[in-house]
Amino acid sequence: EPEVTQTPSHQVTQMGQEVILRCVPISNHLYFYWYRQILGQKVEFLVSFYNNEISEKSEIFDDQFSVERPDGSNFTLKIRSTKLEDSAMYFCASSEALILAGGYEQYFGPGTRLTVT
Amino acid sequence: TQLLEQSPQFLSIQEGENLTVYCNSSSVFSSLQWYRQEPGEGPVLLVTVVTGGEVKKLKRLTFQFGDARKDSSLHITAAQPGDTGLYLCAEIKATNKLIFGTGTLLAVQP
Repeated sequence: EPEVTQTPSHQVTQMGQEVILRCVPISNHLYFYWYRQILGQKVEFLVSFYNNEISEKSEIFDDQFSVERPDGSNFTLKIRSTKLEDSAMYFCASSEALILAGGYEQYFGPGTRLTVT
Repeated sequence: TQLLEQSPQFLSIQEGENLTVYCNSSSVFSSLQWYRQEPGEGPVLLVTVVTGGEVKKLKRLTFQFGDARKDSSLHITAAQPGDTGLYLCAEIKATNKLIFGTGTLLAVQP
């Protein structure tokens, strides 16, 4: 069964460093998402991406964050200058279409645990 | 900002017991989904409910969407250890953005 994959599974970085989290969405999916989950807190939407553009972003997704689909398979989240409060699980997800087009689900990857020290 | 509150936060029960977890919103849901998340994994979709009053069954799991579309419940019959996990409700917006609830952590003891 197709699945979303994410690398690395765990990333440790020092405050102020740049990190790139990588995701390979399901191959025929067109919509891509990043969510994060701070330990003990709820899953929060960061950004959605379609047709090589950001469709929607949350207040969390400030200028320190960027997303890119550098080739036909990868979808990346970059944090330019990490802060302690960026420590969280970051989940990538993808979907075939929008919910209004038929209720397609979002498939989540296993997550990357980012630890900022 | 819409808030999705789930209750209870934690639930520990014995195998074979029944349980219900709840999801309540401060405003009307457009569409609601229930997910289960296991440690070290991403959320996995269980069901989508769209219509007020809708009831869906998935084996031993029964999902209800409130008539006013501001609340939902998940009932598990004869819980098994394999049901252990974090249960999340989420509203799915027209843009596909998911707004997750606070979650219910379920532990089923053998």
